[in-house]
Amino acid sequence: GAVVSQHPSWVICKSGTSVKIECRSLDFQATTMFWYRQFPKQSLMLMATSNEGSKATYEQGVEKDKFLINHASLTLSTLTVTSAHPEDSSFYICSARAPRTANYGYTFGSGTRLTVV
Amino acid sequence: KQEVTQIPAALSVPEGENLVLNCSFTDSAIYNLQWFRQDPGKGLTSLLLIQSSQREQTSGRLNASLDKSSGRSTLYIAASQPGDSATYLCAVRLWNNQGGKLIFGQGTELSVKP
Repeated sequence: GAVVSQHPSWVICKSGTSVKIECRSLDFQATTMFWYRQFPKQSLMLMATSNEGSKATYEQGVEKDKFLINHASLTLSTLTVTSAHPEDSSFYICSARAPRTANYGYTFGSGTRLTVV
Repeated sequence: KQEVTQIPAALSVPEGENLVLNCSFTDSAIYNLQWFRQDPGKGLTSLLLIQSSQREQTSGRLNASLDKSSGRSTLYIAASQPGDSATYLCAVRLWNNQGGKLIFGQGTELSVKP
């Protein structure tokens, strides 16, 4: 139980276009989801906390107009990278807090490799 | 501000060895601590979760301990196998009034040689 599905697993886009990444909780409801960014050989950096039915909370230094987060339902959060540039190329991972039956541990999606050319 | 440190950054061992990965954190006021495994280009797989009131958790060849007062956790891997090669990340979870966030260490890259 407590599975998070993330799509797409990889995407290549042209500079200036927008890309949407989806994160779904498959067998539980997630009122809160988290979006991380990971550079090669580095750890995960929290970008924002996605709250169902309300605005996301962004970490310091993360541009909210560039990384749009929508959490319209209890099982789906999306991250849209707007007007992508090569420096946005990275590995993006979402996470959700599992329910009590899973000890409230965090479960992660499989990640999305974004390459902006 | 909570900071998490993992030592060593990289580790290479021959197959069959028992090994210990270390994780330290600066603020003992944590909700729980979780160990993850990450294979190259993949997401994170949860290995063990230790609640703040617990001292250790075991799963198969893995054993994780938690000493909250000293701000330390260790992940013990018994009889290592080449399939254990991956990056191991520890993360502490803050309390909900602090956002319930996970704060990650930099990871230990483990290589188990056949």
